[in-house]
Amino acid sequence: EPEVTQTPSHQVTQMGQEVILRCVPISNHLYFYWYRQILGQKVEFLVSFYNNEISEKSEIFDDQFSVERPDGSNFTLKIRSTKLEDSAMYFCASTWDSYNEQFFGPGTRLTVL
Amino acid sequence: AQTVTQSQPEMSVQEAETVTLSCTYDTSENNYYLFWYKQPPSRQMILVIRQEAYKQQNATENRFSVNFQKAAKSFSLKISDSQLGDTAMYFCAFMKLNRDDKIIFGKGTRLHILP
Repeated sequence: EPEVTQTPSHQVTQMGQEVILRCVPISNHLYFYWYRQILGQKVEFLVSFYNNEISEKSEIFDDQFSVERPDGSNFTLKIRSTKLEDSAMYFCASTWDSYNEQFFGPGTRLTVL
Repeated sequence: AQTVTQSQPEMSVQEAETVTLSCTYDTSENNYYLFWYKQPPSRQMILVIRQEAYKQQNATENRFSVNFQKAAKSFSLKISDSQLGDTAMYFCAFMKLNRDDKIIFGKGTRLHILP
């Protein structure tokens, strides 16, 4: 069964460094999302992406964040200058039709020291 | 704006018992989906069950069923014959039926199944 994959599973970085989190959505999907979950808290929407552009972003998704679909398969989230409070689990999700469920990847745990 | 509220931060039940997790939501939308997601210690998000708001019949998936009360904006999850593997965080979630709309999650209920 096709699934969303994410790499790396765990990323440790120093404050102020740039990180890129990678996702490979399910191949025929058209809508892509990033969510974030700070430890012990609820999952929060960051950004949605369709037709090579951002559809919607939350107030969390400030100028330090960017997303890209550099080729036909990868979907990346970049944090330009990480802060301690960026430490969280980051989930990628995708769907082929916005009227259907989103499929989540296993997440990338980001630790900022 | 839509909100999802889970009033039970933590619950414990004995194995084989039935447990019900509560969820209420607030929306002015008429067409939407509601979900229950399970998050085990691995922290992967696993879809347990989905309910379309336009369907009156409550969704069921094996031991999992929901009680969807649209007028009351209530969406509870019942787990029958609970198993140790059901131990996890459970999130209630809402999604508008709209182009590429986001999922809005509740704060979660931590469920412990005791042997």
